[in-house]
Amino acid sequence: GENVEQHPSTLSVQEGDSAVIKCTYSDSASNYFPWYKQELGKGPQLIIDIRSNVGEKKDQRIAVTLNKTAKHFSLHITETQPEDSAVYFCAATIRGGYQKVTFGTGTKLQVIP
Amino acid sequence: GAVVSQHPSRVICKSGTSVKIECRSLDFQATTMFWYRQFPKQSLMLMATSNEGSKATYEQGVEKDKFLINHASLTLSTLTVTSAHPEDSSFYICSARDPSGGSTDTQYFGPGTRLTVL
Repeated sequence: GENVEQHPSTLSVQEGDSAVIKCTYSDSASNYFPWYKQELGKGPQLIIDIRSNVGEKKDQRIAVTLNKTAKHFSLHITETQPEDSAVYFCAATIRGGYQKVTFGTGTKLQVIP
Repeated sequence: GAVVSQHPSRVICKSGTSVKIECRSLDFQATTMFWYRQFPKQSLMLMATSNEGSKATYEQGVEKDKFLINHASLTLSTLTVTSAHPEDSSFYICSARDPSGGSTDTQYFGPGTRLTVL
């Protein structure tokens, strides 16, 4: 089955700096990679996703990159703000057919004002 | 995005009792919903896939007789923790796919239910 590794497990950055979270996956058949933000005591919220037919996607301060050959994908947050502090999960799955989603282990991001 | 609700948000119960958690898709119909369990500072662990009108598919190691899942309608799935014990205390989260946009990829998560078994 799919295995998703995520690094780092914790990340502290100064407000305004950039944060990068990296994930690797094992199943070359995976072709959909969502990223979720989870605040304390709440369910995960989708913040951005990328499909395997593109290498990069950007939405305001958030961007995701995908390297299919290396089976790597990363989340980039620029100009971080205190409200970005949360746990971020990467995930991998196969599009369509209701395949289950495999989550990474999570990264706790702390943005220091 | 699509909205998924859960009820209750928190529940405290005595050991040996059963607890029912509801998951609803508020603005779309979900033929498939998913139930996850999350322990503190850990990732989400898929427990089962809930299919409307049919039996749920459980992940390896999850006791189907202990975690009863019912998906009676396209907008409601329930998880019942039977004969709960302190080790069942956890954060339970459901999710659903919204196929109305032409994509079955994106999962939308509920806010979670914190279960504490005394």
